[in-house]
Amino acid sequence: NAGVTQTPKFQVLKTGQSMTLQCAQDMNHEYMSWYRQDPGMGLRLIHYSVGAGITDQGEVPNGYNVSRSTTEDFPLRLLSAAPSQTSVYFCASSRNGQGNTEAFFGQGTRLTVV
Amino acid sequence: AQSVTQLGSHVSVSEGALVLLRCNYSSSVPPYLFWYVQYPNQGLQLLLKYTSAATLVKGINGFEAEFKKSETSFHLTKPSAHMSDAAEYFCAVRGNFNKFYFGSGTKLNVKP
Repeated sequence: NAGVTQTPKFQVLKTGQSMTLQCAQDMNHEYMSWYRQDPGMGLRLIHYSVGAGITDQGEVPNGYNVSRSTTEDFPLRLLSAAPSQTSVYFCASSRNGQGNTEAFFGQGTRLTVV
Repeated sequence: AQSVTQLGSHVSVSEGALVLLRCNYSSSVPPYLFWYVQYPNQGLQLLLKYTSAATLVKGINGFEAEFKKSETSFHLTKPSAHMSDAAEYFCAVRGNFNKFYFGSGTKLNVKP
């Protein structure tokens, strides 16, 4: 069972370049989300989705774009990379929010913007 | 608004000693609380979650946490630390639309 798969694992970008971080899950979860992890700040929510075709902004959405055309995939696009976007990015999925359902995380993408 | 606060960004214990990692939550409704562990260069793995069925929750690797409503706390403990417990630990609360709010994390160092 693959769970949540993120690609690539590492990426170096130049300022101003664009790229897409891929995320796929095989658990048929309705909810998916993107977080960034920075030292001393925990994980902060960038964007989330409650199902195919439905997305919304989280705590730190500026500079990022998402779409959700299928249940399985939830790509994160950096429109014009900036050094402030250097971070570790995690994708997570979870089933319908009943009770104490938990989030399942991918292995992360470590992004450096120079 | 829901949030969690973790006291102590770094905790160091000797192997075999008690581990205590602190988490306090803020929530206007009964909270859904979680502890996750992150080993170096890996994703987050669920340690345990509060179910409301019991205030003392047992998780993997010998960890447990106690929900105390009067103190708005959900501290993580382990009676005897092992070298393999060295990692970063995150407390989290789940809000609506399955949005998770994380504490800033506590790095646990275990000394031989």
